[in-house]
Amino acid sequence: GQNIDQPTEMTATEGAIVQINCTYQTSGFNGLFWYQQHAGEAPTFLSYNVLDGLEEKGRFSSFLSRSKGYSYLLLKELQMKDSASYLCAVQSDYKLSFGAGTTVTVRA
Amino acid sequence: DAEITQSPRHKITETGRQVTLACHQTWNHNNMFWYRQDLGHGLRLIHYSYGVQDTNKGEVSDGYSVSRSNTEDLPLTLESAASSQTSVYFCASSQGTGELFFGEGSRLTVL
Repeated sequence: GQNIDQPTEMTATEGAIVQINCTYQTSGFNGLFWYQQHAGEAPTFLSYNVLDGLEEKGRFSSFLSRSKGYSYLLLKELQMKDSASYLCAVQSDYKLSFGAGTTVTVRA
Repeated sequence: DAEITQSPRHKITETGRQVTLACHQTWNHNNMFWYRQDLGHGLRLIHYSYGVQDTNKGEVSDGYSVSRSNTEDLPLTLESAASSQTSVYFCASSQGTGELFFGEGSRLTVL
């Protein structure tokens, strides 16, 4: 089975940096995904890590350590539109198991 | 443009009724998935399929069934709806180990 943990809520100020941590214990591992989900909408893909290290994509970066079962999503230069839920998901075979999500609130 | 569509987007039904949620994708993806999303639980996998005639149970499959007769469609059926099945349902598809593409969601209320 899968056990995926991430904080429930985080608050940050516009222009700041926020780091969302995700720890996991899995019976199989093909990769780790991060999704963004705005209220009332479908999740959308943000990033994918299969090897250890940092993947950078504009204002968003994601890090993976497979030996520690740990990942984080880094959001830089926060904007109001970044207020959303961020979902950590572990892939085993072709299916994803999701954490409960972290709601990020960006304040002016 | 390729897409994945769900219908209906909103449904209210009564306890004990059979309900089917449709999912249609034009990505030509082999993999299709049904998740439900509830506050405090995140997305939980109900059923999934890796190709035509292939179906598999996820972590919360009791009370649900799916069929895969072609590549494009994976309908989700609730045989006898229960109030505990009130939720938002998301269909998704992928190819290989690639990212999941989600439909817009179907909000089901069972009274």
